Amino acid sequence: AQSVTQPDIHITVSEGASLELRCNYSYGATPYLFWYVQSPGQGLQLLLKYFSGDTLVQGIKGFEAEFKRSQSSFNLRKPSVHWSDAAEYFCAGVMFSGGYNKLIFGAGTRLAVHP
Amino acid sequence: NAGVMQNPRHLVRRRGQEARLRCSPMKGHSHVYWYRQLPEEGLKFMVYLQKENIIDESGMPKERFSAEFPKEGPSILRIQQVVRGDSAAYFCASSGELDNEQFFGPGTRLTVL
Repeated sequence: AQSVTQPDIHITVSEGASLELRCNYSYGATPYLFWYVQSPGQGLQLLLKYFSGDTLVQGIKGFEAEFKRSQSSFNLRKPSVHWSDAAEYFCAGVMFSGGYNKLIFGAGTRLAVHP
Repeated sequence: NAGVMQNPRHLVRRRGQEARLRCSPMKGHSHVYWYRQLPEEGLKFMVYLQKENIIDESGMPKERFSAEFPKEGPSILRIQQVVRGDSAAYFCASSGELDNEQFFGPGTRLTVL
């Protein structure tokens, strides 16, 4: 079955430290993958997406993600975290079904940032 | 170009009442998806609609839940006889004909007392 897994439920980092959030997928073919961020009580904002081509994808707010087919991973990274990055992060993949797409979300990783 | 609109943003209902959640897709988008986010969980697909058609409702509970996307007006997610377990955030997303990207609305947070 197609699935998206985020192994880390909670992560705490210090402000200014680097960040990597893990995401693994299970798909038969090359997936379309996304990272979204959700601040408390808010909707989802798209950080970046991977459809094809260059496996290193740049997003907004200084985030990037790398698609690694050999590891079935699409980890999100940021070199220096800001306090405002504290939020919940969701990795999602598109499941192709009968000519349309529906997103499958991971359970999310909640990021806390210490000053 | 306005984004995906959802209203109300917050909805409080007592057990047994009906909840109606509305979603207006982005201009030019004809595909609407509804997702539910239970507390402390990720989003789960509920239903996918195109204008006047339900394409996939595999994620919808079998009873009490229904969705529509009429020719005119917003998409509606309707929950009859709500129970406490229906308390969640309900998100709507829309996409264009050839898009693989879905744009999300701000969500409706339903609280059932």
